[in-house]
Amino acid sequence: AQSVTQLDSHVSVSEGTPVLLRCNYSSSYSPSLFWYVQHPNKGLQLLLKYTSAATLVKGINGFEAEFKKSETSFHLTKPSAHMSDAAEYFCVVSDRDDKIIFGKGTRLHILP
Amino acid sequence: ETGVTQTPRHLVMGMTNKKSLKCEQHLGHNAMYWYKQSAKKPLELMFVYSLEERVENNSVPSRFSPECPNSSHLFLHLHTLQPEDSALYLCASSQDQDGTYVLRELFFGEGSRLTVL
Repeated sequence: AQSVTQLDSHVSVSEGTPVLLRCNYSSSYSPSLFWYVQHPNKGLQLLLKYTSAATLVKGINGFEAEFKKSETSFHLTKPSAHMSDAAEYFCVVSDRDDKIIFGKGTRLHILP
Repeated sequence: ETGVTQTPRHLVMGMTNKKSLKCEQHLGHNAMYWYKQSAKKPLELMFVYSLEERVENNSVPSRFSPECPNSSHLFLHLHTLQPEDSALYLCASSQDQDGTYVLRELFFGEGSRLTVL
């Protein structure tokens, strides 16, 4: 059975400092992994996805994530936070069990 | 402008009312989804339609009734709801290429905020 764990429900960083949002997954097969972002009163938007090609995936708005099979992790990073990055971020896993599983979300706060 | 449009954006209803949520996608996709997003809970998949056929019903109470008249439109009919049904209801669409979820990228609407009094 597959699952996804977002290790932090809230993360606060200062503007201009790096962002790290952690995600660990469990999957019986080689999974596909996604990060979505949700700004207040908006729907979810895809940031990036891993589908068994390059393990370092670049997404929109300067975000990237690295698939580490040995650690079953898919952490989201950005070198320098911007105020507009304040939002909720969801890690998502899907595999041949044919289910799409969302994490509980991490709310990112950007301090001025 | 999002490729997935949901109406209404906000809805307040009493427990005895009947209302409907509407979703329309302009992306040419062939699969559509309803999700429920409640505070402090993970996103919950409610229904999936692929090629206009319901392929998943995640043990949703019968007071929620989906309808998919064509690949571009999806409705969620609401009847005799409970206060705990208050939530953000999100519609999404995707292109179902090989019948599996593995490569599916979901495109979401902005949601319908439902309050049940």
